[in-house]
Amino acid sequence: KAGVTQTPRYLIKTRGQQVTLSCSPISGHRSVSWYQQTPGQGLQFLFEYFSETQRNKGNFPGRFSGRQFSNSRSEMNVSTLELGDSALYLCASSFQVNTEAFFGQGTRLTVV
Amino acid sequence: EDQVTQSPEALRLQEGESSSLNCSYTVSGLRGLFWYRQDPGKGPEFLFTLYSAGEEKEKERLKATLTKKESFLHITAPKPEDSATYLCAVLINNDMRFGAGTRLTVKP
Repeated sequence: KAGVTQTPRYLIKTRGQQVTLSCSPISGHRSVSWYQQTPGQGLQFLFEYFSETQRNKGNFPGRFSGRQFSNSRSEMNVSTLELGDSALYLCASSFQVNTEAFFGQGTRLTVV
Repeated sequence: EDQVTQSPEALRLQEGESSSLNCSYTVSGLRGLFWYRQDPGKGPEFLFTLYSAGEEKEKERLKATLTKKESFLHITAPKPEDSATYLCAVLINNDMRFGAGTRLTVKP
């Protein structure tokens, strides 16, 4: 059974640009969550989608957005990138909401 | 404010030296507590879910327990391959809140 796939693995962007990250969940999983991980703040919840609906959103500015498609694949977008957005962005999928999550390898975003 | 605190921040053990990691929480309405293991450069790997005080789960050298205020991850006779960062996460309403993690190093 294939795991959670995130693309791309690495990205370098310039301040002010925007970026889109992609996540393909485990087959059959309908819940996808996104997290930001940095050395200083640890793992922080961004948002969660279930059946194409955003169920919950963390405490991040509106520059961070996401969506989920009918096949459960998800994308997150960050607009007007700032240096502080440099982080490992992790996607996790679950069969149901609020159950154990299975994480992808992450996308390492560097903003210069 | 709801908080999840893990201790110690870092732990160094000799191979075979058993120990415990702690995850304490000050939340109302706990709906579940999760343990994950994270290796450098990788996403967290699910280990256990605990839902109610008194519950215990085991997997190989790891055993997780839960009380009303904290959870312990006991590591029995660890091996170097157990070296990783161990994260606990608490489900609060519909939010998954992670602790900062315990970085475990097991020396041969």
